Amino acid sequence: GNSVTQMEGPVTLSEEAFLTINCTYTATGYPSLFWYVQYPGEGLQLLLKATKADDKGSNKGFEATYRKETTSFHLEKGSVQVSDSAVYFCALSFLNRDDKIIFGKGTRLHILP
Amino acid sequence: NAGVTQTPKFQVLKTGQSMTLQCAQDMNHNSMYWYRQDPGMGLRLIYYSASEGTTDKGEVPNGYNVSRLNKREFSLRLESAAPSQTSVYFCASSEGPRGPNYGYTFGSGYTFGSGTRLTVV
Repeated sequence: GNSVTQMEGPVTLSEEAFLTINCTYTATGYPSLFWYVQYPGEGLQLLLKATKADDKGSNKGFEATYRKETTSFHLEKGSVQVSDSAVYFCALSFLNRDDKIIFGKGTRLHILP
Repeated sequence: NAGVTQTPKFQVLKTGQSMTLQCAQDMNHNSMYWYRQDPGMGLRLIYYSASEGTTDKGEVPNGYNVSRLNKREFSLRLESAAPSQTSVYFCASSEGPRGPNYGYTFGSGYTFGSGTRLTVV
């Protein structure tokens, strides 16, 4: 079946450090891929997305590239801030079948000042 | 520009009580979803409604019922609450499925509500 696996947290970094959160997927076909972010006490917000191989999604300094050959969609940011502390979810869906999104379990990120 | 509105934000129930969680979206979305979020479990889909007039079970439907009242509203009902239903509940909406003949089209993902924190004692 279709699934998403992301690195377990929590991940703790100092401010201005480089961030990578790994995400790999298993899917039959070519899904669209997403990263969502959940700030404390809030719902999930779409952070970025990519809809086909080699696409790069980007937003707020975060980037992720759709790698079909490694079935991965790793999230990166060059210099994290304290305000980036949140839970990050990798997800996939097939938009021309139904619109259900399959989420990973989430990775909690703590940024220390 | 409300997006997805959930009520209430917090609720405490006694075991066996019933309640309905309300969800409304103002984006003219076709599909709506109810998730629960538990520590270490991520998000689990309870029920969804691909379009007005349809509802389907998700991963963890037992103990819940849903009603797609109209295109805007999708409610979740707990008929007899149990401590295992203590969780944070999220409603979400999306444009909806396009079908196999629509071609390769791109969605904008889900819009989530801010959640309902439910405690069953």
